[in-house]
Amino acid sequence: TQLLEQSPQFLSIQEGENLTVYCNSSSVFSSLQWYRQEPGEGPVLLVTVVTGGEVKKLKRLTFQFGDARKDSSLHITAAQPGDTGLYLCAEYSDMRFGAGTRLTVKP
Amino acid sequence: SQTIHQWPATLVQPVGSPLSLECTVEGTSNPNLYWYRQAAGRGLQLLFYSVGIGQISSEVPQNLSASRPQDRQFILSSKKLLLSDSGFYLCAWGQDGEQYFGPGTRLTVT
Repeated sequence: TQLLEQSPQFLSIQEGENLTVYCNSSSVFSSLQWYRQEPGEGPVLLVTVVTGGEVKKLKRLTFQFGDARKDSSLHITAAQPGDTGLYLCAEYSDMRFGAGTRLTVKP
Repeated sequence: SQTIHQWPATLVQPVGSPLSLECTVEGTSNPNLYWYRQAAGRGLQLLFYSVGIGQISSEVPQNLSASRPQDRQFILSSKKLLLSDSGFYLCAWGQDGEQYFGPGTRLTVT
């Protein structure tokens, strides 16, 4: 069974700061997704990465997939209060999710 | 475009009562369908998934069951709810390696 570990579990920062959150697996990902979830709503897909070393950008968000496809990071530049939420990584073939990083961006 | 609906949005049920949560998908055919449960502020636990009508796979032994009577309809049921069944239930559809979630049902068992 593949285990997905996300760190940190909680992160509270001021508006304008940069941050990075991580997702690590005990085995190789076939493909990895990052989601953002706001309280009381379903997760929303942000990105899918498939190829080792792949980097994808979505406005101020940069997603990186490790060369060995066992880890991934999400970097947010100049965080805004609207970035607040629970960030989840998931392995699609296993349909398994990490426990998430709860991000709070204070104005 | 594809949309996914879940109802009800919130539900309060007594212990021992039955449960039926419904999920429907529009704008796609033969999707993979999933039921997840999420504890407060935590990650998602896969409960059931279906690759076609009448085909259900269960991930976790529990007090719940699922059915897929139509291609784009997925139902989560229980005959007798337990306190431990409380949580946020999410339905999702998947295709081409990605999943899309419904708005969820907040279930409180009292």
